[in-house]
Amino acid sequence: ETGVTQTPRHLVMGMTNKKSLKCEQHLGHNAMYWYKQSAKKPLELMFVYSLEERVENNSVPSRFSPECPNSSHLFLHLHTLQPEDSALYLCASSQAGASYEQYFGPGTRLTVT
Amino acid sequence: KNEVEQSPQNLTAQEGEFITINCSYSVGISALHWLQQHPGGGIVSLFMLSSGKKKHGRLIATINIQEKHSSLHITASHPRDSAVYICALERGSNYQLIWGAGTKLIIKP
Repeated sequence: ETGVTQTPRHLVMGMTNKKSLKCEQHLGHNAMYWYKQSAKKPLELMFVYSLEERVENNSVPSRFSPECPNSSHLFLHLHTLQPEDSALYLCASSQAGASYEQYFGPGTRLTVT
Repeated sequence: KNEVEQSPQNLTAQEGEFITINCSYSVGISALHWLQQHPGGGIVSLFMLSSGKKKHGRLIATINIQEKHSSLHITASHPRDSAVYICALERGSNYQLIWGAGTKLIIKP
């Protein structure tokens, strides 16, 4: 148990659906991250929020929309996804600033049909 | 050329063996992270180091900044050590780590 929870753990959705992934951290951190992990590929950073402001957005398609209502919660809203978006989506948190250790949630396994 | 390379990609060993996983990189860094990912998906940070050596239980991580190389060692390996081990580079004050592709370790009983 790392102090970072993600729901749901598994999600199957059609290409026309709208769904949201939720992440919550109980560590008092002030930075939160969304990563995508596809099979046999390194982690890809999607979004970073620090002090509830987005500080990184790595050219992610607009069908992925993040929301950070406060420092403990992070959402990833999904709409009109493609099959190639099927992956493990990981949330992480850390203290803001340099030289930080990230704490990861268990991930949401997303399948787009 | 990738900025970070891990070797080997896959490693299978018998219980009790001494394990070494390597991470080489080609850029300047402020720190290097070793993380562990179990089959369920969750990732756990093992070490963050910028020089020398760190030890935690049966795990030892070393880094040589001049040679741009780090190693993760596991002594007296156990089947529960089976996981993917990932090295990631930290480069100063932004939030983006440079991630290695991971080494998949299987320890057979």
